[in-house]
Amino acid sequence: EDKVVQSPLSLVVHEGDTVTLNCSYEVTNFRSLLWYKQEKKAPTFLFMLTSSGIEKKSGRLSSILDKKELSSILNITATQTGDSAIYLCAAVHNAGNMLTFGGGTRLMVKP
Amino acid sequence: SQTIHQWPATLVQPVGSPLSLECTVEGTSNPNLYWYRQAAGRGLQLLFYSVGIGQISSEVPQNLSASRPQDRQFILSSKKLLLSDSGFYLCAWSATGFEQYFGPGTRLTVT
Repeated sequence: EDKVVQSPLSLVVHEGDTVTLNCSYEVTNFRSLLWYKQEKKAPTFLFMLTSSGIEKKSGRLSSILDKKELSSILNITATQTGDSAIYLCAAVHNAGNMLTFGGGTRLMVKP
Repeated sequence: SQTIHQWPATLVQPVGSPLSLECTVEGTSNPNLYWYRQAAGRGLQLLFYSVGIGQISSEVPQNLSASRPQDRQFILSSKKLLLSDSGFYLCAWSATGFEQYFGPGTRLTVT
């Protein structure tokens, strides 16, 4: 059965802290790994990772894929209260039509 | 640019009543379309996906159904809602089958 597991389930930090969110996957015919940020409503796309070991960066956020370990991490440096959200990862697999999502990590950043 | 619409934004329906949620995409042709359900504070569960008009794949057996009557229209239906159908329903589209972009969602409460 295809599955994606995220850890921790939830995290509370203070502004300025650095956080690392984890995502591991076991899927058939893995294609790529996606990260999303979900605040009040729809998830918004952050990163797509296809190649192992190549870091993707966007401002204070960065992510990297390890195909050997079947995992990915999302780092957020110098966190701000606006980073508070649920972070979802999803594995694209099979013919590329399928996404399996993890359960998400709820991040709360306190002032 | 592409946009995705969902309506209604919120819905409160009694058990046993029918359901129809609509999703439309603008600015692209022949997209892959997806319906997800998200329980409170949880990850996304894929319900249906479609790679073309009239082509629907179901991922989870349930009392819901989906239809794609037009290229950029995707409808989620039920003949009789159950309490367990409550949740946040998200429609997504993809051009490549990899990155998916989400609509604003419909929050359904079955009473």
